[in-house]
Amino acid sequence: DADVTQTPRNRITKTGKRIMLECSQTKGHDRMYWYRQDPGLGLRLIYYSFDVKDINKGEISDGYSVSRQAQAKFSLSLESAIPNQTALYFCATSDFWGYTFGSGTRLTVV
Amino acid sequence: DQQVKQNSPSLSVQEGRISILNCDYTNSMFDYFLWYKKYPAEGPTFLISISSIKDKNEDGRFTVFLNKSAKHLSLHIVPSQPGDSAVYFCAASEGWDNYGQNFVFGPGTRLSVLP
Repeated sequence: DADVTQTPRNRITKTGKRIMLECSQTKGHDRMYWYRQDPGLGLRLIYYSFDVKDINKGEISDGYSVSRQAQAKFSLSLESAIPNQTALYFCATSDFWGYTFGSGTRLTVV
Repeated sequence: DQQVKQNSPSLSVQEGRISILNCDYTNSMFDYFLWYKKYPAEGPTFLISISSIKDKNEDGRFTVFLNKSAKHLSLHIVPSQPGDSAVYFCAASEGWDNYGQNFVFGPGTRLSVLP
């Protein structure tokens, strides 16, 4: 099993729909992240969580919300999806030495 | 304003030659740097790191150089292989807090190694 698992891998949704992206990890790390990747912009931080009781906004949190259900689970929600949220989304965990990323969720909002 | 910059969006290199990927940063408090490699349809994976107490770190075909005064680091791949074709991200951190480190990522450089 992968250290960081994201579901779904691909999703097409309609404008205005609510959608949740899920992430689970087996690394035992406290810190988890959601990033968004767009061409030419690299990885931009949406939200991060230091532990189950701690949630922090990242660089581009507008239009997104998160829930840290357990140490191993961190989900990202788009309350009302819009086309410019079409992107590749990555979940990650980290320890002192760096990050472990999931394989990504490709989200298309039509 | 981007704190970590990779000014070359793409780079093409002939197989067997050297690939040099550059990264510049503006925050003088950054003291730990990582390079990640990303293939299509996969998440980024860790490649090599360097801390500010060093100016060079080598791992096989991959060497990272750090020039603190210039706020510049570079990744050298020698010799380049077609399997090295990927997007390379530079990332930087100010150091430890109670939970670890928060990294700032550059926009990435797409390397194409031509057979």
